[in-house]
Amino acid sequence: KAGVTQTPRYLIKTRGQQVTLSCSPISGHRSVSWYQQTPGQGLQFLFEYFSETQRNKGNFPGRFSGRQFSNSRSEMNVSTLELGDSALYLCASSLEWLTDTQYFGPGTRLTVL
Amino acid sequence: GDSVTQMEGPVTLSEEAFLTINCTYTATGYPSLFWYVQYPGEGLQLLLKATKADDKGSNKGFEATYRKETTSFHLEKGSVQVSDSAVYFCALSDRNTGNQFYFGTGTSLTVIP
Repeated sequence: KAGVTQTPRYLIKTRGQQVTLSCSPISGHRSVSWYQQTPGQGLQFLFEYFSETQRNKGNFPGRFSGRQFSNSRSEMNVSTLELGDSALYLCASSLEWLTDTQYFGPGTRLTVL
Repeated sequence: GDSVTQMEGPVTLSEEAFLTINCTYTATGYPSLFWYVQYPGEGLQLLLKATKADDKGSNKGFEATYRKETTSFHLEKGSVQVSDSAVYFCALSDRNTGNQFYFGTGTSLTVIP
């Protein structure tokens, strides 16, 4: 069974731009979560989607948004990029619940200049 | 609320040394416990898990036992290899007390030949 895939793997943007990241979960997994990983803050939960609806949300500003499609694929969007948004963005999928075992993708490395 | 505390790193060991990475948790319910590993430039991979007290998770020579009496889930390996160099994350989830997945801050392990 194929694992979680994320595209693109690397992105370079400038301040003020917006960016969209994509995640394809493991086949049959319906819950998709997004995390931001930085050296200073570690792993921080952004949000979780299930059945095309945001079910859980972390403490991030509204510039961070996401969506999920009927095939469980998910996208994450960051608008008006700031230097501090530079991070590794990880997507994880699980069967039904955020509390089920999370399976992670390789991440998208975003650099904001 | 629920939380995970793991030992600070970095940890440097010689090849074939014994490894222990301490992890303690706080939870009001009966959480599931996990260890994830992150190799350089990659996402997190599930290493092992335990879903109830006294369960032992094991994989690739790594072991951890769910100790409810000491609220601990310490990671151990009898003989580390250079290829074990990575960052290790302890995590917990507890559906009964909130739909969340909590990660520790990560412990960096370097194994030298």
